[in-house]
Amino acid sequence: DIQMTQSPSSVSASVGDRVTITCRASQGIASWLAWYQQKPGRAPKLLIYAASTLQSGVPSRFSGSGSGTHFTLTISSLQPEDFATYYCQQANSFPITFGQGTRLEIK
Amino acid sequence: QITLKESGPTLVKPTQTLTLTCTFSGFSVSTSGVGVGWIRQPPGKALEWLALIYWDDDKRYNPSLMSRLTITKDTSKNQVVLTMTNMDPVDTATYYCAHTNPGEVSTAFDYWGQGTLVTVSS
Repeated sequence: DIQMTQSPSSVSASVGDRVTITCRASQGIASWLAWYQQKPGRAPKLLIYAASTLQSGVPSRFSGSGSGTHFTLTISSLQPEDFATYYCQQANSFPITFGQGTRLEIK
Repeated sequence: QITLKESGPTLVKPTQTLTLTCTFSGFSVSTSGVGVGWIRQPPGKALEWLALIYWDDDKRYNPSLMSRLTITKDTSKNQVVLTMTNMDPVDTATYYCAHTNPGEVSTAFDYWGQGTLVTVSS
């Protein structure tokens, strides 16, 4: 199985800050990576797929980059509604695997 | 628009079999490329992929649970069903079904159901 490791596990930031979350794959996955946002009591929401393609309707302050084993999700200017938990997911091979999550909290 | 909704028991006893149904609208699971998957999330923990069925009846399972899982589809009813045998308290989780179309979103899950919490307890 491909292991996905996110860092940090949690981060505190303020509205307006730029935040970057990292996801590392235990082996190369090309660009087969997705990012999700999950708020308490809600289903995950797809933000980015294919490492850098913004899902329709997602604000442009979200961006993704990377390939191979190292990926990043960047939020350019945090908004109050962005405080949530973020997960990466690899889609290169089965079994599909998710990272452990990064909790983004208000400072 | 695409919507999905999970249904099934909220409480099951240890050793029982869980049957969950995903009823969807806005797409057909017989359309080329479409898939429906199941993902679960124990309280306060991360997401875990369980199974996925494609339009052509190709089925994929998480190897760690494969012996306990069966996924099927009923195209006429717009439903995908997941069964999990020999339930244990560690299987307590919110279970989600989700839509994917690898040709469009590279096997990411772009639409999710609201989830259903299943508790395993005697």
